[in-house]
Amino acid sequence: LAKTTQPISMDSYEGQEVNITCSHNNIATNDYITWYQQFPSQGPRFIIQGYKTKVTNEVASLFIPADRKSSTLSLPRVSLSDTAVYYCLVGDLSGNTDKLIFGTGTRLQVFP
Amino acid sequence: EAQVTQNPRYLITVTGKKLTVTCSQNMNHEYMSWYRQDPGLGLRQIYYSMNVEVTDKGDVPEGYKVSRKEKRNFPLILESPSPNQTSLYFCASSLWAARVDTQYFGPGTRLTVL
Repeated sequence: LAKTTQPISMDSYEGQEVNITCSHNNIATNDYITWYQQFPSQGPRFIIQGYKTKVTNEVASLFIPADRKSSTLSLPRVSLSDTAVYYCLVGDLSGNTDKLIFGTGTRLQVFP
Repeated sequence: EAQVTQNPRYLITVTGKKLTVTCSQNMNHEYMSWYRQDPGLGLRQIYYSMNVEVTDKGDVPEGYKVSRKEKRNFPLILESPSPNQTSLYFCASSLWAARVDTQYFGPGTRLTVL
């Protein structure tokens, strides 16, 4: 299983763009990169997933460089409601295991 | 409405008293998992199931049991709970492998073992 490393916390202000980088130096060829968002006392919620280059959906973008050893979740123009913990995961379809390691995530605090 | 439900949502019990936390999904998902979340430790996977009658250990399986007798249900069993199992528990399901597919999480069960 590829291990991920993220900053423990980040602060931002409303309206700013926030970029959270995740390091996954041991990512395997078949690994996908997935990001989840979690609000206090709620279950995590899927944000975005990618394999390479750039993926964009209605809430975020995911940038993955060519070597895939890191990825950056980009949240455009954050609001107070984006205050949450963000988790980066890597995983692949190989083997007969569905083990997952979430890690401790990045706590994003958005200020007015 | 597509959802994952857990019961109970809150439970206070005493050491050694067997308990079961139920998890049910109505999305016909193959994959289900249990996680525990503790301050400073993030989410840790306890057990997972890739299909009916197929279960396997996650990162922290000690002290827990699971069963998957039917696709929609994945109960978590604590045969002899101890205070170090006081935690917030989440059940999750996904259509495909959780490693590459979107997981849908339940609302959580806050367990306190005295």
